Amino acid sequence: GQQLNQSPQSMFIQEGEDVSMNCTSSSIFNTWLWYKQEPGEGPVLLIALYKAGELTSNGRLTAQFGITRKDSFLNISASIPSDVGIYFCAGLGGSNYKLTFGKGTLLTVNP
Amino acid sequence: GAGVSQTPSNKVTEKGKYVELRCDPISGHTALYWYRQSLGQGPEFLIYFQGTGAADDSGLPNDRFFAVRPEGSVSTLKIQRTERGDSAVYLCASSYRVKTAVLNEKLFFGSGTQLSVL
Repeated sequence: GQQLNQSPQSMFIQEGEDVSMNCTSSSIFNTWLWYKQEPGEGPVLLIALYKAGELTSNGRLTAQFGITRKDSFLNISASIPSDVGIYFCAGLGGSNYKLTFGKGTLLTVNP
Repeated sequence: GAGVSQTPSNKVTEKGKYVELRCDPISGHTALYWYRQSLGQGPEFLIYFQGTGAADDSGLPNDRFFAVRPEGSVSTLKIQRTERGDSAVYLCASSYRVKTAVLNEKLFFGSGTQLSVL
């Protein structure tokens, strides 16, 4: 089946630093989504990308849909303690409803 | 309710027992999804309902797993003869979705049921 390779697995940063994480796949995805999950909660959507090359921002978050449709990255600028959590990329490939998730990036922000 | 509600939030059971996990979607949402999240992994698709019918159950791992949505609202995920490998967080999500529409931000996840099989 389709798989997403997400990196890094974890990041430990200081408050105020910028963060970058990415996802790659050997197969094409038609939609890329980035979610954040906090302990004991379900994933919450941060950014959705629908077109190859698309660059979208949501506050301090910026994400891009790779031109090849096989990768995406998420940047967080000027991190704050409440950014702590697990960030997941997810994609829609052959199906228009079945999400494939990466394994997540655990972000820790030291105040 | 305001969001997707899942009960119980935690379930501890013994190997071989039967369990039911309940999902109350957002009122009016026609589509309902079950995902399973193992420790250290991302969620994995199990089953998708459009209305009362299971439109895609290809993610159910084996015939011990079954899900129903008899009135097109509440859904129950049923696991027979539980095994230790079934331990995971079971997430439910719902959306108001037209069949041909591409999934977008109108997908809401519940907080999940943490299932522990001893």
